[in-house]
This record gives sequence, structure tokens and C-alpha cells, in this order.
Amino acid sequence: NAGVMQNPRHLVRRRGQEARLRCSPMKGHSHVYWYRQLPEEGLKFMVYLQKENIIDESGMPKERFSAEFPKEGPSILRIQQVVRGDSAAYFCASSPYRDTNEKLFFGSGTQLSVL
Amino acid sequence: DQQVKQNSPSLSVQEGRISILNCDYTNSMFDYFLWYKKYPAEGPTFLISISSIKDKNEDGRFTVFLNKSAKHLSLHIVPSQPGDSAVYFCAASASGTSYGKLTFGQGTILTVHP
Repeated sequence: NAGVMQNPRHLVRRRGQEARLRCSPMKGHSHVYWYRQLPEEGLKFMVYLQKENIIDESGMPKERFSAEFPKEGPSILRIQQVVRGDSAAYFCASSPYRDTNEKLFFGSGTQLSVL
Repeated sequence: DQQVKQNSPSLSVQEGRISILNCDYTNSMFDYFLWYKKYPAEGPTFLISISSIKDKNEDGRFTVFLNKSAKHLSLHIVPSQPGDSAVYFCAASASGTSYGKLTFGQGTILTVHP
């Protein structure tokens, strides 16, 4: 049973470009979370999605960031017109059901570097 | 505003001894607390949790203590092993949030020396 798969592991973008981060949840999991870890900080909640629905996006920056979890395919975190401050590790987690805390399974993350 | 704080960036312990990692929180709405462990180049993995209705939870070598009046929790690892060397994150969930929306501390790097 494969774990949460994130790709790419490392992504380098120049300022102004777009970054697309992908997350395939564990098999049977329909709940996906995105977290961001800035240098020297803990993980910060960004968004919670179920299939085709955004449930809680209270941690998403108001501009340039969007997330989706389509009926088919991986969840995508999209960052438009990246800036140096977007450089961080982005972690995706999935769970088999909504009512959970510890049943979050994290991927290995995508390290985004903005030049 | 750092609602969950781990004030010790690092901790070094000898194998076989006790490791104590500390965590403080400020938000009175937090009612569920978790510890995650993270190895380099991997995602965090769940270690142990505690509900606010308890003051202690034990799982093998790992015990978490919660002091609600002080808004403080700690993770004890006894005995410590070199394989325990990792970054440990304290996390909290607010009452009324049943899903995985967690607030994490900055993490503590634990090094266990053989």
C-alpha cells in the first residue's frame, strides 16, 4: 500500500513563474490537506479538500495560491507568479475520513526554491 | 502569533537515558494534542496524542503529559535510542475542529548519542 506521493521532490522556479505541486493520497483516502513549512518554523495549515470540494482554505494566502482535488487524479497546489518568500517545504497529508486528528499520513514533501 | 511553542530548538541525550521534549500553547480552545516525528527528507509521522480530558497517555517508551492549567505538555522517551534521533513536532487541534487542521510548533531536534 503506497503512501502519500508528492512530486516533484524538488522544484526550482524563477520569480514570476508558476509552481505546480502534486499530491496523490493513499489509496482509499478522499481527504487531502496541504501544509507549508517555512525555514525555522513549524508546519502551517493551508487548505483542506475533499474530492472536488474545498472545505477549509483559511490558511491559504489570498492571492496567487489555489488548490484543487479533482474527481480523478492528484490534488494540485498551484502558486502563480512565485516570489522568494514562497520558498518552503510543502507537505501534503491524506486521511481516510473527515473526523480524525492523528490519522493524517504525510507525504515526503516538495521543496520549492524560488530564485 | 505563535500559538504552539517549542522553546528548545535542540536536545542531546545519551542512549538509555530519558528524553524530555517540551511544548507550550496559548490558545485555550486547543483540546487535542499530538506529537509527530520527522526524519530528514521524509514527512512527519504520528507518534502519540492526548485529549484535554486526560493528563497522561502512554504508548510503550513514549509518554505524553498534559498540564492544562499551565498550558504545557511534554513528551518523555524512556529509554532513548539512537533511532529516536529526529525532529519532534508538537501540534494542537482546536475544539470544534474534528478534521486534520493542526497548529504545529517549530520543532525540536533530538539527537541520541550511542
